[in-house]
Amino acid sequence: GAVVSQHPSWVICKSGTSVKIECRSLDFQATTMFWYRQFPKQSLMLMATSNEGSKATYEQGVEKDKFLINHASLTLSTLTVTSAHPEDSSFYICSAEWFGRGGYTDTQYFGPGTRLTVL
Amino acid sequence: GESVGLHLPTLSVQEGDNSIINCAYSNSASDYFIWYKQESGKGPQFIIDIRSNMDKRQGQRVTVLLNKTVKHLSLQIAATQPGDSAVYFCAENGSGNTGKLIFGQGTTLQVKP
Repeated sequence: GAVVSQHPSWVICKSGTSVKIECRSLDFQATTMFWYRQFPKQSLMLMATSNEGSKATYEQGVEKDKFLINHASLTLSTLTVTSAHPEDSSFYICSAEWFGRGGYTDTQYFGPGTRLTVL
Repeated sequence: GESVGLHLPTLSVQEGDNSIINCAYSNSASDYFIWYKQESGKGPQFIIDIRSNMDKRQGQRVTVLLNKTVKHLSLQIAATQPGDSAVYFCAENGSGNTGKLIFGQGTTLQVKP
């Protein structure tokens, strides 16, 4: 249980284009999903919290108009990198929060990540 | 500010030995802790978690120990195997019941054959 998928696993795009990344919880419902960014040999940096049916909450320093998040259903959240530039190249990872494990809360299960390269 | 840190950036162990990965956390309000394993090019994989009302929890070949007095968390891996080679992150839930996790910087575990 608690499987999270991401699509695409990697994408290469030209500067100025927009890229959409999908995050799906496959076998559970997630009212809350999170989007992270990770640079090589560094820890995960939280970008935003995505809540089903409401606006995302962005971390300080993350441009909400640059990184559009939509959480339209209990199993799908999308991150759109708008007008991408080379500095947006990174590894983007989503996670979904599952409350089903013996009553524990806050357990986040991660997707496999999406490698974005902007030329 | 809030932070979760690790004592050693890289740990090298012999195959078959036990591994101990340490983590220090700073937020005394944290009551939930998770260990994740991340292999190169992949997302973090849940290993084991523990609540603050416990000081030890065991899984398959792994044990997490929590010492709230000194705000220390450790992950013990028994009979370390080459497949255990990865970066290990500890995470805490901090305060405020936001669902957010605060991640440490990670420890690279290298298993020598």
